Amino acid sequence: TQLLEQSPQFLSIQEGENLTVYCNSSSVFSSLQWYRQEPGEGPVLLVTVVTGGEVKKLKRLTFQFGDARKDSSLHITAAQPGDTGLYLCAGYGGSQGNLIFGKGTKLSVKP
Amino acid sequence: KAGVTQTPRYLIKTRGQQVTLSCSPISGHRSVSWYQQTPGQGLQFLFEYFSETQRNKGNFPGRFSGRQFSNSRSEMNVSTLELGDSALYLCASRYLAGSYNEQFFGPGTRLTVL
Repeated sequence: TQLLEQSPQFLSIQEGENLTVYCNSSSVFSSLQWYRQEPGEGPVLLVTVVTGGEVKKLKRLTFQFGDARKDSSLHITAAQPGDTGLYLCAGYGGSQGNLIFGKGTKLSVKP
Repeated sequence: KAGVTQTPRYLIKTRGQQVTLSCSPISGHRSVSWYQQTPGQGLQFLFEYFSETQRNKGNFPGRFSGRQFSNSRSEMNVSTLELGDSALYLCASRYLAGSYNEQFFGPGTRLTVL
C-alpha cells in the first residue's frame, strides 16, 4: 500500500517566519501534488511536481520534488496569516490509480 | 464558470439511518470522485465515476455506494449509518479521468451521525 507521511502534523508560527513542510513515502510516485484547504472549504490545488529534482516557485512558496520521486517539500518564506490552513500532499497510486493523500500539516500563522 | 457544488452542506443523522449526498460538477466535467475526510484518517478515496460508470473504488464497505447521471451530477449513498461515518464528504470533478487532469473540489458535506 502506498502511503504519504507528512510532517509536522501541526505548526504554529509568528508572521514573518519561514517554515518547511515535508511529504515522504517509501514508494515512487510519478507526480506529487500540494493542496491547501481552509476551514469549511475543499482542498485547492497549489502545484503539481512531475520531474525528480524539480523545484517550482509560487510567490513565497517553493515546492521541491525529491530526486528519487519519493518525497517532496513545501517551503514558505515570510509566512503571513493568510497562509493559515491545512496543507496536503497527494499522489496517484493505489491498485486503481486513485489519488492518495497525506494526512496534512495544519499551519497557523499568528500576526 | 460555477465551481463544484455539494448539497446539503450540513447533515445530522442517527445510527441506522441512510443518507444521500449530492454533487454537481463544473460544467463540462465528466469525472466525479468522492472522498471522506476525518481528523484521524485524513482524506480517503471512496470512488470515481466517469460517464455514468464507476471507474475506481476505494477500500470502503458496501454500505457506501454512488451513481452518476447523464448530466454528470453524482450522488453518494450511505446506508445503515454508523457513528464512525461522521466526516466531511468531499466531491471533486475533472474534465476527464486520468492522473494529469486537475481535480476541483467542492466545499463538502459535513455529516454528523448521532
